[in-house]
Amino acid sequence: SQQGEEDPQALSIQEGENATMNCSYKTSINNLQWYRQNSGRGLVHLILIRSNEREKHSGRLRVTLDTSKKSSSLLITASRAADTASYFCATDAENFNKFYFGSGTKLNVKP
Amino acid sequence: KAGVTQTPRYLIKTRGQQVTLSCSPISGHRSVSWYQQTPGQGLQFLFEYFSETQRNKGNFPGRFSGRQFSNSRSEMNVSTLELGDSALYLCASSLVTARTEAFFGQGTRLTVV
Repeated sequence: SQQGEEDPQALSIQEGENATMNCSYKTSINNLQWYRQNSGRGLVHLILIRSNEREKHSGRLRVTLDTSKKSSSLLITASRAADTASYFCATDAENFNKFYFGSGTKLNVKP
Repeated sequence: KAGVTQTPRYLIKTRGQQVTLSCSPISGHRSVSWYQQTPGQGLQFLFEYFSETQRNKGNFPGRFSGRQFSNSRSEMNVSTLELGDSALYLCASSLVTARTEAFFGQGTRLTVV
């Protein structure tokens, strides 16, 4: 099974609202990344957080990591219609030398 | 700086045939990894190449293979195609490893009929 699971599977909000999506994983990790995918296209790297970091910011994005709960969250503040996309977490599993993607959260931002 | 280029963008093949997909990474990147994306299984890691050597492999049957050339360009091959191989195949290039940051191509949409 996949290393990462995301929650919720789908999220619909109004422009200007904040969007929060969560990622849970199963084994210890070296780092966790978040990616965005516009419909049927390639993925775009958003942010990487290392296992010894708890929070990271990039523009309107805020990522947290709780290694004790094996979970991460991505917060997009003041969302825009252009943020409509699927968001995936990806984990670099320690001791596995592999790279796993979560199931994704489909975000719809209504103008 | 040119991005990751995947060719072809779309492909229709018949069951039993084989297919080769190509990926040209960003100049200077030595790692190329491949992923299969389907609605049912999500994004699954196929394999990763670094300096012409396969460094990691996902849980796919031997019908899925790949290689990397000295200029870092990579190809993946799927033999004896099955209907379930219909998917978006994504290639990603990285300086050293996708496990820190990967730059993705637009993908090849393979349809097996």
